[in-house]
Amino acid sequence: KNQVEQSPQSLIILEGKNCTLQCNYTVSPFSNLRWYKQDTGRGPVSLTIMTFSENTKSNGRYTATLDADTKQSSLHITASQLSDSASYICVVSGDDKIIFGKGTRLHILP
Amino acid sequence: DAGVIQSPRHEVTEMGQEVTLRCKPISGHDYLFWYRQTMMRGLELLIYFNNNVPIDDSGMPEDRFSAKMPNASFSTLKIQPSEPRDSAVYFCASSFRGAESNTEAFFGQGTRLTVV
Repeated sequence: KNQVEQSPQSLIILEGKNCTLQCNYTVSPFSNLRWYKQDTGRGPVSLTIMTFSENTKSNGRYTATLDADTKQSSLHITASQLSDSASYICVVSGDDKIIFGKGTRLHILP
Repeated sequence: DAGVIQSPRHEVTEMGQEVTLRCKPISGHDYLFWYRQTMMRGLELLIYFNNNVPIDDSGMPEDRFSAKMPNASFSTLKIQPSEPRDSAVYFCASSFRGAESNTEAFFGQGTRLTVV
């Protein structure tokens, strides 16, 4: 069964700290993996898109990694800011399928 | 470009009424997607179009849901009759290519639907 599992469900960290969000998937065949940031009351915004051959991709303080062998991805946030408070959603696509994770809710405390 | 535009932003309706959600994709994008988001189920793909043609509607929950794309700049998602369990945020997104490509999908602000 095609699934995308994210952990943790929610996370609270202090401003300035780093954190890592996890995404495990069983989608096959695999085309790409995307990380989205969704602020409360708004639509998701794309952070990174990675294909099978890409191991890491950065977007400012956001760095995503992909291990296609173990079917795991992570999103690392460096030096967190209050504006990073949001839900982070992992999405895996393949063969006309788009499977969403339920997201990790991140809270940054001042 | 103003991005993907959805209307209305909020809709409150009584059970049994017809609801129509609207979406204007980004000009030049060939793909349009309708999603539903709830706390329990997260984001779910309902249907997507390529060049105004519905490609995959397997995510449409019931026959009460229907979607059309009469032209490249407009799409509707209709629920008739609406039920309380349809309450959710409905997102429209568009992209230059399909999800299997590496092009970015842009989401609208969503329509928050409440059926009472």
